[in-house]
Amino acid sequence: DVKVTQSSRYLVKRTGEKVFLECVQDMDHENMFWYRQDPGLGLRLIYFSYDVKMKEKGDIPEGYSVSREKKERFSLILESASTNQTSMYLCASSLVPDSNEQFFGPGTRLTVL
Amino acid sequence: AQSVSQHNHHVILSEAASLELGCNYSYGGTVNLFWYVQYPGQHLQLLLKYFSGDPLVKGIKGFEAEFIKSKFSFNLRKPSVQWSDTAEYFCAVKSNFGNEKLTFGTGTRLTIIP
Repeated sequence: DVKVTQSSRYLVKRTGEKVFLECVQDMDHENMFWYRQDPGLGLRLIYFSYDVKMKEKGDIPEGYSVSREKKERFSLILESASTNQTSMYLCASSLVPDSNEQFFGPGTRLTVL
Repeated sequence: AQSVSQHNHHVILSEAASLELGCNYSYGGTVNLFWYVQYPGQHLQLLLKYFSGDPLVKGIKGFEAEFIKSKFSFNLRKPSVQWSDTAEYFCAVKSNFGNEKLTFGTGTRLTIIP
């Protein structure tokens, strides 16, 4: 089974802090994705990556950056956390380019005070 | 750009009732369609998918969905729900053309009353 893990289930940070959310997948998937999930808004794509050191902006990249130094690891970075970034963050991976079937991690619930 | 609409935000049913959750998409070309489910406290997982062929797709746990191209719909159905079906359900679509990513609907929260 594909396993996607995220470093924290719950995280509380203060406004202005730099925040790192880590995601690791163990199935040698090419593609990795970061979404945020908010009530009534569904899942919105922040960034995605098709390969190591490659990244592309999704629908809502403002205030975020990403890093993919190794194939199995995809990090989401909040350079200066703000209260409107309080959300559930989901990482996903998929096998082939533009593959539609994505496998999700358990999510990180981030609260920014 | 493609988009997905889920008009039912919260559905409450009694056990053994029949279920139908609506999903409509806006893209006019060839699409791939999905239903994902998120049980309380668990990660999002694939329920079923449609790529091509038979428009009636069967998924896990007795769920099925029918792709009706003329109506741009991909409604999720289950003839008899159980308490364990309480979850949030997301419809998703991806066009087969260009660089469109997977687009999710806003989700439908399903509550089953024992």
